[in-house]
Amino acid sequence: GESVGLHLPTLSVQEGDNSIINCAYSNSASDYFIWYKQESGKGPQFIIDIRSNMDKRQGQRVTVLLNKTVKHLSLQIAATQPGDSAVYFCAFAGGTSYGKLTFGQGTILTVHP
Amino acid sequence: EPEVTQTPSHQVTQMGQEVILRCVPISNHLYFYWYRQILGQKVEFLVSFYNNEISEKSEIFDDQFSVERPDGSNFTLKIRSTKLEDSAMYFCASKRDQNTEAFFGQGTRLTVV
Repeated sequence: GESVGLHLPTLSVQEGDNSIINCAYSNSASDYFIWYKQESGKGPQFIIDIRSNMDKRQGQRVTVLLNKTVKHLSLQIAATQPGDSAVYFCAFAGGTSYGKLTFGQGTILTVHP
Repeated sequence: EPEVTQTPSHQVTQMGQEVILRCVPISNHLYFYWYRQILGQKVEFLVSFYNNEISEKSEIFDDQFSVERPDGSNFTLKIRSTKLEDSAMYFCASKRDQNTEAFFGQGTRLTVV
């Protein structure tokens, strides 16, 4: 069945360090991948997305890498700031007609000043 | 910036009562979703809605659940006879196109007592 899982449930870093959050998926039909950030008491907030015809995409301070061979997705945050502290979810769509998202378990990122 | 809005932010209800959770999706979006998140767990898909009908639903979305788009702006989730295990955050989301990012509301925290 479809599933998305995370290698690390928690990640603690120092302010200014780079952070890497990982995600594995199992459905080969997945063709659209998204990273969301969720702060306490709020809804998921879009960070960056990537389609299956790409293996890397960069945004402001964030980079998403997609390795379709091993079905692995990662989010890199450069110069992590305390405001980056949140739960990060990977999600994917594809293999269905109406774009429902399947979410991973989430990684708690804590940035220490 | 346009956003998805949800009301109420918190709803407390007695077991067996009916609740209606309300959402106003982003105005030019065509795909609408309800997700839920039990405390400390991942976000789970409930239902997708397109062209004025349910397009897909999960096994969670049983006969006690229903959705409606009564006018051109609101999108509601009704739970007919709430159970304790329905306690969760309920997120509404909308998309412009099928495989673009979903924008999430801030959620309604439903507490069933």
